[in-house]
Amino acid sequence: EVQLVESGGGLVKPGGSLRLSCVASGFTFNDAWMSWVRQAPGKGLEWVGRVKSKTAGGTINYAASVKGRFTISRDDSKTTLYLHMTSLKTEDTAVYYCATPTITISGVVIRDAFDMWGQGTMVIVSS
Amino acid sequence: SYELTQPLSVSVALGQTASITCGGDNIGFKNVHWYQQRPGQAPVLVIYRDKNRPSGIPERFSGSNSGTTATLTISRAQAGDEADYYCQVWDSFTVVFGGGTKLTVL
Repeated sequence: EVQLVESGGGLVKPGGSLRLSCVASGFTFNDAWMSWVRQAPGKGLEWVGRVKSKTAGGTINYAASVKGRFTISRDDSKTTLYLHMTSLKTEDTAVYYCATPTITISGVVIRDAFDMWGQGTMVIVSS
Repeated sequence: SYELTQPLSVSVALGQTASITCGGDNIGFKNVHWYQQRPGQAPVLVIYRDKNRPSGIPERFSGSNSGTTATLTISRAQAGDEADYYCQVWDSFTVVFGGGTKLTVL
């Protein structure tokens, strides 16, 4: 079964740090371009960042709102995506999802639409 | 930065057709994707690259994109279609989501 499972969420004080994990199964994780997307309570979706596969150069892009505070990494041997969050602010409170494209056209994965999502993990930043 | 504009809410009578718009500068030149999100659940991709349906998405869902507006159309609306809908594009190596539209089926 194709699956993404996030973990690591919880309550953290402003200025604190937290690391989220997303374990993938059922597809070739090495080739996947993985993203983090978050959703504050009662708000819309906000993209956090993406890491390409190592064969595609492993490039990482971040949203302006998290750049310099959040770090995305991957461990292909563990089929796991990470989000290391530092200098957390109250406005970082959200459900954090990992997501990835798997749809193919003529055998090539289209990289711009997210058809696979995890169930999300909640992060609460509060004193 | 690039912005996508969606109406906050759209209402549709049961069995009728709903249209949800997504406005953006020259959005017709971008690939637009649409997601459905029911309360407490992860988003589900319902349309990719303007008009394509992923496997398992009913034919009632369709999309178009031209000029400054992309549109998600839901025909023969059902109670189960009641959800939040988000459009999404890529711009300068970052993902942009619209603010979301709450679809109410009356």
